[in-house]
Amino acid sequence: DGGITQSPKYLFRKEGQNVTLSCEQNLNHDAMYWYRQDPGQGLRLIYYSQIVNDFQKGDIAEGYSVSREKKESFPLTVTSAQKNPTAFYLCASTRRGEQFFGPGTRLTVL
Amino acid sequence: AQRVTQPEKLLSVFKGAPVELKCNYSYSGSPELFWYVQYSRQRLQLLLRHISRESIKGFTADLNKGETSFHLKKPFAQEEDSAMYYCALSFPTGGGKLIFGQGTELSVKP
Repeated sequence: DGGITQSPKYLFRKEGQNVTLSCEQNLNHDAMYWYRQDPGQGLRLIYYSQIVNDFQKGDIAEGYSVSREKKESFPLTVTSAQKNPTAFYLCASTRRGEQFFGPGTRLTVL
Repeated sequence: AQRVTQPEKLLSVFKGAPVELKCNYSYSGSPELFWYVQYSRQRLQLLLRHISRESIKGFTADLNKGETSFHLKKPFAQEEDSAMYYCALSFPTGGGKLIFGQGTELSVKP
């Protein structure tokens, strides 16, 4: 079940700390996406990148930042400015309109 | 703005009964519609998309532009169909991003 990997699987953070979630893909896909999944709210788009060194804000970008220095990697930083960061985070890449998802990272703020 | 609505949070049926998971969308142009499924302890994955007009695992979905709906149907539910189902929409100028509904949990009882 390769293709897109996310690490770590579980992450705990103290309030006021920044934390970075990793997303790597070996599918040679140009576009990558970060979603946040909350019960009863579905998936909401945080950031996306269609090409290296370029990215756009999604619907809930406040308190998050990303970078896209390599095609294979699209890390997400959850900053202390994010008011409610405890959630399940999913990374995806796309080919011909179909999105392929990683296994997710569950972030808990203590 | 684009929006996807799944009115049922939980749908519970008995094995062998017909299933219909509802999905309505709002978008004025020509969207592409998808159903994604998340089985317990597995990644979110594509179930079907309207342009392929396929039947996957016995599921079908027809895009009704007049009613702006893309309901997912299966004539005889199986226990292994129990999962979380998400309807999603993409649009031509969206950069490949998906707009997801809130999700419907399907529970098939023996």
